[in-house]
Amino acid sequence: DVKVTQSSRYLVKRTGEKVFLECVQDMDHENMFWYRQDPGLGLRLIYFSYDVKMKEKGDIPEGYSVSREKKERFSLILESASTNQTSMYLCASRAQGETQYFGPGTRLLVL
Amino acid sequence: GDSVTQMEGPVTLSEEAFLTINCTYTATGYPSLFWYVQYPGEGLQLLLKATKADDKGSNKGFEATYRKETTSFHLEKGSVQVSDSAVYFCALTKGSNYQLIWGAGTKLIIKP
Repeated sequence: DVKVTQSSRYLVKRTGEKVFLECVQDMDHENMFWYRQDPGLGLRLIYFSYDVKMKEKGDIPEGYSVSREKKERFSLILESASTNQTSMYLCASRAQGETQYFGPGTRLLVL
Repeated sequence: GDSVTQMEGPVTLSEEAFLTINCTYTATGYPSLFWYVQYPGEGLQLLLKATKADDKGSNKGFEATYRKETTSFHLEKGSVQVSDSAVYFCALTKGSNYQLIWGAGTKLIIKP
């Protein structure tokens, strides 16, 4: 069965902290994605990765960076967290087809 | 650019009612269309999809037909249950990399 896991379900951080969100998939998928989900805005793509060490900016990359050192793991980094980064963060992975498989999400609160 | 528009929620229905959630899209070429569902406290999961005009996707009693002439992909179910309460997202693929363009989501509340 397909499985995408995220390191935390809930996270509370302070403004200016460096934040790491981890995502792991066990399906040997090449493509991985980070989205943020906000009410009324749907999902917005932050970054995606086609392969190990490869990354591409999505629609809203500002304030974020990513790391993909191993195929199964895709990390989202908030270099200096700000209150406007309070959101639900969703990770997804995909093989060569079109269907994306999502993790359960991390709800981040920045105080 | 490409976009997806969904009806605003929340949509509140009684159990066994008929459901329609509207979705229209703007896209060049021939996108594939999707409905994803997000149950409370969970991530998104694919509900159904259609890859070409007049295709009908179906799953768990839900159906949606790819209508190119009206650029629509409305989600329907004949008799909803309380367990269908969730947020429903319409989406399309863009480009050879299959990036998804998302609608804003529609929250569905089913009352017993």
